[in-house]
Amino acid sequence: QKEVEQDPGPLSVPEGAIVSLNCTYSNSAFQYFMWYRQYSRKGPELLMYTYSSGNKEDGRFTAQVDKSSKYISLFIRDSQPSDSATYLCAMSETYKYIFGTGTRLKVLA
Amino acid sequence: DGGITQSPKYLFRKEGQNVTLSCEQNLNHDAMYWYRQDPGQGLRLIYYSQIVNDFQKGDIAEGYSVSREKKESFPLTVTSAQKNPTAFYLCASIDSVNYGYTFGSGTRLTVV
Repeated sequence: QKEVEQDPGPLSVPEGAIVSLNCTYSNSAFQYFMWYRQYSRKGPELLMYTYSSGNKEDGRFTAQVDKSSKYISLFIRDSQPSDSATYLCAMSETYKYIFGTGTRLKVLA
Repeated sequence: DGGITQSPKYLFRKEGQNVTLSCEQNLNHDAMYWYRQDPGQGLRLIYYSQIVNDFQKGDIAEGYSVSREKKESFPLTVTSAQKNPTAFYLCASIDSVNYGYTFGSGTRLTVV
């Protein structure tokens, strides 16, 4: 079993939809949780960071961490075609992060 | 602007050849990392370095080597011992675990 599981997609949604992206993990020691967005042939860029459990909101993006269920989510409201990218979850207890395989999202205009 | 610069953007390697990928950062970050990205497999850690003149193997270090002679630089050499080197290579750095990685724009290596 992988330490971090993420549905690879692809996920296609119409413009304006609410998107839900998820990861599950097995290591209960993880404390730091992040979401990265990666456009094709580019390096990932940090979208959201959360420490321990709880929610965090930034504009159209909301990150949720449920440590009891070992489950993290990223919600994108009012999705735009420019949100079309691969979304990677990452988590860690120290300096070394473990990444999910990424979910490919396509927002249709 | 501070950031991480990876070069070259595209690299072609012949069989039996060693090649070196460059990674330079001006963020004054202590820790630097090399990841390999393959379709459907996510990012896999090759090597990382938390301070100058020290580095550790990651999950897939075989066939790769690194050096960390300067804080700003962390070059990766893909040796001929790496049997399947075609991939997208990403360099990253981090100052504090609270802020996550900053990534470079990547180098796409292809064996010809």
